[in-house]
Amino acid sequence: DAKTTQPTSMDCAEGRAANLPCNHSTISGNEYVYWYRQIHSQGPQYIIHGLKNNETNEMASLIITEDRKSSTLILPHATLRDTAVYYCIVRPIVTGDYKLSFGAGTTVTVRA
Amino acid sequence: GAVVSQHPSRVICKSGTSVKIECRSLDFQATTMFWYRQFPKQSLMLMATSNEGSKATYEQGVEKDKFLINHASLTLSTLTVTSAHPEDSSFYICSVGALRQGRNTIYFGEGSWLTVV
Repeated sequence: DAKTTQPTSMDCAEGRAANLPCNHSTISGNEYVYWYRQIHSQGPQYIIHGLKNNETNEMASLIITEDRKSSTLILPHATLRDTAVYYCIVRPIVTGDYKLSFGAGTTVTVRA
Repeated sequence: GAVVSQHPSRVICKSGTSVKIECRSLDFQATTMFWYRQFPKQSLMLMATSNEGSKATYEQGVEKDKFLINHASLTLSTLTVTSAHPEDSSFYICSVGALRQGRNTIYFGEGSWLTVV
């Protein structure tokens, strides 16, 4: 049972910001939102995660709506190397139980 | 640098033989590690939880006698695909989680491509 909904695919222009939406309308108060990406033939790469506040790191920004039912991952200046499948995942706040349930993700293609 | 390392990155084996894949946590000790499988054009599917010093916990539909998991130390888990068949050809990925700077972060290995011929 999918806990997140993401668009199947999206194209982005190189150098522009890429905004990746994710719906998680059934998220509970004790669940984080995690974002990973997977470049072809590699293991998933951690991008960012958050609970309710917006988060920013060197890779991206995560904007979570006030009701926490959706979020947006922002890649500020997309490059060709950002072409990948992006996964939005919700996970309970439980230290020690680190398994993740992956959906289909969004295939992002950055075009020159 | 890498936090989780897998070896080998690619392996080809003959049908009926067994193959071992290693997953090492480089930066921290891990009492649990996780193994996933990914078929072409599909998403990652959790296979099992590797528990240090005890038996692995397998997800529904995963044969524990076929996919042997050993977690003998806090930094190493191994997945052995026994009596491999062509349908076992897949991308196998492990992950490790840790509480770092007050935040739970989960890292993945580079993955291991298994081709059974």
